[in-house]
Amino acid sequence: EVQLVESGGGLVESGGSPRLSCAASGFSFSNYEMNWVRQAPGKGLEWIAYISSGGSTKDYADSVKGRFTISRDNTNNSVFLQMSSLRVEDTAVYYCARGGEWELLRWFASWGQGTLVVVSS
Amino acid sequence: EIVLTQSPATLSLSPGERATLSCRASQTVNTYLAWYQQKPGQAPRLLIYDASKRAAGIPARFSGSGSGTDFTLTISSLEPEDFAVYYCHHRNNWPRGGTFGPGTKVDIK
Repeated sequence: EVQLVESGGGLVESGGSPRLSCAASGFSFSNYEMNWVRQAPGKGLEWIAYISSGGSTKDYADSVKGRFTISRDNTNNSVFLQMSSLRVEDTAVYYCARGGEWELLRWFASWGQGTLVVVSS
Repeated sequence: EIVLTQSPATLSLSPGERATLSCRASQTVNTYLAWYQQKPGQAPRLLIYDASKRAAGIPARFSGSGSGTDFTLTISSLEPEDFAVYYCHHRNNWPRGGTFGPGTKVDIK
């Protein structure tokens, strides 16, 4: 069974630099692209970061580009989101999400339970 | 950036009724469109991908249609567990993550 477990959220001051982690299990982690998607309280979903299976290709939404960095450790089956220069508007639940199998590769077929980051001013 | 618009924002229906949700893209996304269901306090769940294909384990009462810029998610007969928020999502420029629509809330009338 695919499992994704996020951690690292909490209350952070504006300008802070927390690091989120997502521990993966139940599948061959190094074969899959990974993403981070966030959801502000009471709002919709926003994709924010992508990393290829080997880690060589990364992409970001404009809203976080230059402030957030995605990385992965294929030895320890984890993906990370290093956040910096946090703003109040970055307050959200942060989900890691994995593409599906075969023709579902481009879709977010598996999600973690999310970790809440609250940025205080 | 492609913008997705969903309508209506809220759909109030009774169990057993048919739900029709719309998603419109500001430019063509071919059939690179998915639908997700999200219940309060839970992560989203993939329902439909490539506009019309049901994900594994998704009941047959859920169906998707459309291509280009106009898409529809239909729930043929609402079950109590179907009352939730539904998001459409395009990923036309994979591996870019794409964008999500604002969501349609299906609530109990």
